[in-house]
Amino acid sequence: DQQVKQNSPSLSVQEGRISILNCDYTNSMFDYFLWYKKYPAEGPTFLISISSIKDKNEDGRFTVFLNKSAKHLSLHIVPSQPGDSAVYFCAASEGLGGSQGNLIFGKGTKLSVKP
Amino acid sequence: KAGVTQTPRYLIKTRGQQVTLSCSPISGHRSVSWYQQTPGQGLQFLFEYFSETQRNKGNFPGRFSGRQFSNSRSEMNVSTLELGDSALYLCASRTGGLAEQYFGPGTRLTVT
Repeated sequence: DQQVKQNSPSLSVQEGRISILNCDYTNSMFDYFLWYKKYPAEGPTFLISISSIKDKNEDGRFTVFLNKSAKHLSLHIVPSQPGDSAVYFCAASEGLGGSQGNLIFGKGTKLSVKP
Repeated sequence: KAGVTQTPRYLIKTRGQQVTLSCSPISGHRSVSWYQQTPGQGLQFLFEYFSETQRNKGNFPGRFSGRQFSNSRSEMNVSTLELGDSALYLCASRTGGLAEQYFGPGTRLTVT
């Protein structure tokens, strides 16, 4: 039973436009959420995170929104660039501030940004 | 700071053999976690070590084991390899208190 779900396996966006990647979770014990980007033949790269006590966190072109009542989070990339083309993973962690070391990952969304 | 390093990067083994993978965390990071990535199951947590002690374990058989040394370097071992163990094995490190984990490039294991 998947606790973290990314229902869109792929997303195609035009350069300069907004990319919105979505993630749903079922476990209400999750206290911390993270987004990772992965290129082929490389390990995941940490992008941005958010604690369950917040509803938004921004870092440059990346913003993560958390809706706890809906158990939903999203990653916004504005503006999208061709170099953003990669697989994006949503991950969640239990424990206060995500102190548990076992991240639970979604299956990923492949983002393609077209010039 | 140097990132997480993993050796070897690629490995081919035969069914029934055993394998040991190595991970060196980011300097100052005392926690090391291991994950398995396969096309069917995605990224799955194997175990976490902190200060040489296993702190958390995922739902994998006992053939998968690990350890951590006093310098925080970690190894994972898979005994009696099966074809289904073919995967990308990823190591990640973090400081003890924060959730953010930083991944190495992975070891691609192929079992024939």
